[in-house]
Amino acid sequence: DVKVTQSSRYLVKRTGEKVFLECVQDMDHENMFWYRQDPGLGLRLIYFSYDVKMKEKGDIPEGYSVSREKKERFSLILESASTNQTSMYLCASSSSGSGSYEQYFGPGTRLTVT
Amino acid sequence: DAKTTQPNSMESNEEEPVHLPCNHSTISGTDYIHWYRQLPSQGPEYVIHGLTSNVNNRMASLAIAEDRKSSTLILHRATLRDAAVYYCILLIQGAQKLVFGQGTRLTINP
Repeated sequence: DVKVTQSSRYLVKRTGEKVFLECVQDMDHENMFWYRQDPGLGLRLIYFSYDVKMKEKGDIPEGYSVSREKKERFSLILESASTNQTSMYLCASSSSGSGSYEQYFGPGTRLTVT
Repeated sequence: DAKTTQPNSMESNEEEPVHLPCNHSTISGTDYIHWYRQLPSQGPEYVIHGLTSNVNNRMASLAIAEDRKSSTLILHRATLRDAAVYYCILLIQGAQKLVFGQGTRLTINP
């Protein structure tokens, strides 16, 4: 069974802290993604990566950075957490190819910044 | 990104078929039609996708209009577990970036 795991289901951090959200996939997928989901705004893409050490900005990259040192792991970093980054964070992965491939999502991390 | 339009909510009864519509009048020839759903307190999960022909899998069927300007996700026999938000998304061939709209919140009555 395919699997995308995220390091925490719930996380509470203080304003100004550096926050790491980890995502691991076991499907040898080339592509990995970070989204955030907020009521009324839906899912929005923060960053994605097509390969190890590669990254691309999504629609809302401000305040975030990412790291992909190994194929199976994609980290989202909040350099200095702020209250407006309180959200549900979802990681996903997919295979590459000339067709169209489904994305597999993790269970999400609900981050609260106080 | 081409846009899709879905009803905000729909309701159906357990063990009955459900037809979830999606309009995508600005679809281009290389856009795939993807459907995802999100169960409560979970990440989205892939349901089905298609390009031109109707598609079936173990979860659902996808009926695509001949002009491709609309599609319908069909759940043949709804269960309570099918209560979720269903998203219809267009994806250019070879592209990976999903753009989620607000989706349709499906309620299943026992």
